[in-house]
Amino acid sequence: DADVTQTPRNRITKTGKRIMLECSQTKGHDRMYWYRQDPGLGLRLIYYSFDVKDINKGEISDGYSVSRQAQAKFSLSLESAIPNQTALYFCATSDPSGRLYNEQFFGPGTRLTVL
Amino acid sequence: GESVGLHLPTLSVQEGDNSIINCAYSNSASDYFIWYKQESGKGPQFIIDIRSNMDKRQGQRVTVLLNKTVKHLSLQIAATQPGDSAVYFCAEKDRGSTLGRLYFGRGTQLTVWP
Repeated sequence: DADVTQTPRNRITKTGKRIMLECSQTKGHDRMYWYRQDPGLGLRLIYYSFDVKDINKGEISDGYSVSRQAQAKFSLSLESAIPNQTALYFCATSDPSGRLYNEQFFGPGTRLTVL
Repeated sequence: GESVGLHLPTLSVQEGDNSIINCAYSNSASDYFIWYKQESGKGPQFIIDIRSNMDKRQGQRVTVLLNKTVKHLSLQIAATQPGDSAVYFCAEKDRGSTLGRLYFGRGTQLTVWP
């Protein structure tokens, strides 16, 4: 079973629609992250959360919001989707107490297309 | 601008040859570096890491070299195999960051030819 799962895996939507991408993890990690990946730009951090009560903006948070419903769940919302939010979105987790405390474990990604 | 970047966006090698993927960084305060591999349709996966107090670290068929003088990081893959075809990212962490944030480079596409 995958440790970090994302739903949906693919989504096509229209401009102006509200979209929620969900991430769940069974690793027991406190830290969770949302990244966006565009061709040639690598991974850019949208939001991160270090526990259920902690939410922080990343490099490119405008147009996005998040919710940390539980230790295992971290959702990313696009309140009003626009075409330039078409991208591949990744959720990741990390464990600050582990040996590789900076390693982040990634989900399989959600491919979002905004028409 | 980005503090982590790659010299070459693509690299093609013959199966069995060694591959070298490079990464330049600009933040002298970075104290930890990771290499990730991303196969098509999948999320990035950890390959190997290195702390700034080291110059070299070896794993299975992979070696990471760190040159702090010129702020350069490289990933060497020995006897490259078709399964090594993927995008490779380097990532860095700032020494002053207690939050564990990683900053990623743009990636290099490695293609292995039979």
